[in-house]
Amino acid sequence: DSGVTQTPKHLITATGQRVTLRCSPRSGDLSVYWYQQSLDQGLQFLIQYYNGEERAKGNILERFSAQQFPDLHSELNLSSLELGDSALYFCASSVGSTSLTDTQYFGPGTRLTVL
Amino acid sequence: QKEVEQDPGPLSVPEGAIVSLNCTYSNSAFQYFMWYRQYSRKGPELLMYTYSSGNKEDGRFTAQVDKSSKYISLFIRDSQPSDSATYLCACRNQGGKLIFGQGTELSVKP
Repeated sequence: DSGVTQTPKHLITATGQRVTLRCSPRSGDLSVYWYQQSLDQGLQFLIQYYNGEERAKGNILERFSAQQFPDLHSELNLSSLELGDSALYFCASSVGSTSLTDTQYFGPGTRLTVL
Repeated sequence: QKEVEQDPGPLSVPEGAIVSLNCTYSNSAFQYFMWYRQYSRKGPELLMYTYSSGNKEDGRFTAQVDKSSKYISLFIRDSQPSDSATYLCACRNQGGKLIFGQGTELSVKP
């Protein structure tokens, strides 16, 4: 168990809908990262927050947004969902932000299915 | 072209075999190299990391980096059925994000 928790485990929804994924980092970690994992694209970095502020952006669509709250938990909002958004969404956390050796610990993931 | 390339496999070996997993990368600014292991329906977990050319050993696992050829490898000795998982290589530069390979699915048959 990495100490990172994600809810829900599974989510099934329809195209055009909006969903919110939630992540609680390990105790003491200030950074939260969101990743998308699909069969064809592999594990893709979406966005990073550090202590409440956006720190880095990856291949995140404009329909997706995220935030980190004062208690350091984070939410990833996915809107106007398309079939292609079906994937595993992982949250990871680390102590710091940009250190080369900062280890990222991954949560168990949320499996999103868009029908 | 992806910054980190990894053969997705699948790779099937008998128990006790030596497994070699490989990645190539294109960004010479990458300084930190990791291997993650991901069991089915679980999140990736860090297996090994290194930030210099050469070998690093941890039990049955050896990570190898050759910066001159931009090639990273993971060797598993005396492979066990419990090693069956997807192995992801990842690279990082200073202040940068992790870039993952596609992952190689490994199956170790008893």
